[in-house]
Amino acid sequence: DTGVSQDPRHKITKRGQNVTFRCDPISEHNRLYWYRQTLGQGPEFLTYFQNEAQLEKSRLLSDRFSAERPKGSFSTLEIQRTEQGDSAMYLCASSPGGLPNEQYFGPGTRLTVT
Amino acid sequence: GNSVTQMEGPVTLSEEAFLTINCTYTATGYPSLFWYVQYPGEGLQLLLKATKADDKGSNKGFEATYRKETTSFHLEKGSVQVSDSAVYFCALSPNNAGNMLTFGGGTRLMVKP
Repeated sequence: DTGVSQDPRHKITKRGQNVTFRCDPISEHNRLYWYRQTLGQGPEFLTYFQNEAQLEKSRLLSDRFSAERPKGSFSTLEIQRTEQGDSAMYLCASSPGGLPNEQYFGPGTRLTVT
Repeated sequence: GNSVTQMEGPVTLSEEAFLTINCTYTATGYPSLFWYVQYPGEGLQLLLKATKADDKGSNKGFEATYRKETTSFHLEKGSVQVSDSAVYFCALSPNNAGNMLTFGGGTRLMVKP
């Protein structure tokens, strides 16, 4: 068990550029979650997948954000036309489902928009 | 909606001191409750959990008891170490279909030798 991995760990981009992040969950976990964490705050839910189906999206997830999980394995989170307000740590978590739904987090991708 | 409130930090203690970090929540029904820890430069790690009223979660000397009557889940440790210095997050999961976590704002703990 290698845990949840995320790539890249850091991304610096200019405003208006598109960025894509990848998350590889724990292999037997069928649920995958994306959260966003800004400095000094707790993580906030963005979206989640059960297998390949995206079942819920937060109102925080504007039209510029899109997430996929093809074949129910890894997931990608894309941000189009980045804005300075998108600067944050993007966290991915996976869980086996069921209760109490323990979620295991990756190290995060830190995005800086200049 | 669901919410979690934690005491603001930083909390600064000397080694071997007693630790309490307060956490209260608002939720409908009977959520599951969690404490996560984030060490410097690392990702969130699950520290302990409790799934029903009066359950006590424990791990690495840390404990927290699910108190339904006071909607609280305070984190305690009898004797902290320098290596416990980290940010601690209280979180709830509503035990519904989505089960996304709602986090508190985090409490930074600094332990001095």
